[in-house]
Amino acid sequence: GAVVSQHPSWVICKSGTSVKIECRSLDFQATTMFWYRQFPKQSLMLMATSNEGSKATYEQGVEKDKFLINHASLTLSTLTVTSAHPEDSSFYICSAKGQGAYEQYFGPGTRLTVT
Amino acid sequence: AQSVTQLDSHVSVSEGTPVLLRCNYSSSYSPSLFWYVQHPNKGLQLLLKYTSAATLVKGINGFEAEFKKSETSFHLTKPSAHMSDAAEYFCVEGAGNMLTFGGGTRLMVKP
Repeated sequence: GAVVSQHPSWVICKSGTSVKIECRSLDFQATTMFWYRQFPKQSLMLMATSNEGSKATYEQGVEKDKFLINHASLTLSTLTVTSAHPEDSSFYICSAKGQGAYEQYFGPGTRLTVT
Repeated sequence: AQSVTQLDSHVSVSEGTPVLLRCNYSSSYSPSLFWYVQHPNKGLQLLLKYTSAATLVKGINGFEAEFKKSETSFHLTKPSAHMSDAAEYFCVEGAGNMLTFGGGTRLMVKP
């Protein structure tokens, strides 16, 4: 149980375009979902937290107009990177947490490359 | 502010020998602690969690960790390393929705 999927697993896009990444909890209801960014050989950096049906809460330094997060249902959250630039290239990982749970379950990650 | 320190950035062991990955946390109250494993280009998989129950926590794949409040430690151990254990390991402290990650320890397993 507690499986989280992400789609796509990798994506290449041109500078200036937008790309959407989906995060789904497959076998539980995720009241809270999280989006992280991971640079090579580094730990995860929290970008934002979202509760189903509410606006996301962004961490300091994360541009909310650039990284649009929608948590439309208890099983789906999306991250849209708008007007992507090469510096947005990174590994993006989502996680999900059920009501009353302590632990977060992580998706397999999405490798974004902006050319 | 919470902080989690993984004392070794790299650990190298031979296959079949014990594994010890060290972690210290900073919270003065009883924390929620986790160990996650990340294989290359993959997400994080939960190995085990401590949430103020038994201090010796058993996880998946033969891993276990012991919560020691007096030492503010939560070290991860495995009696016998397998080649498939080679990965990055993260010690994580949780408080509500906030996770504080250690810097990670890369475990290398030699044949």
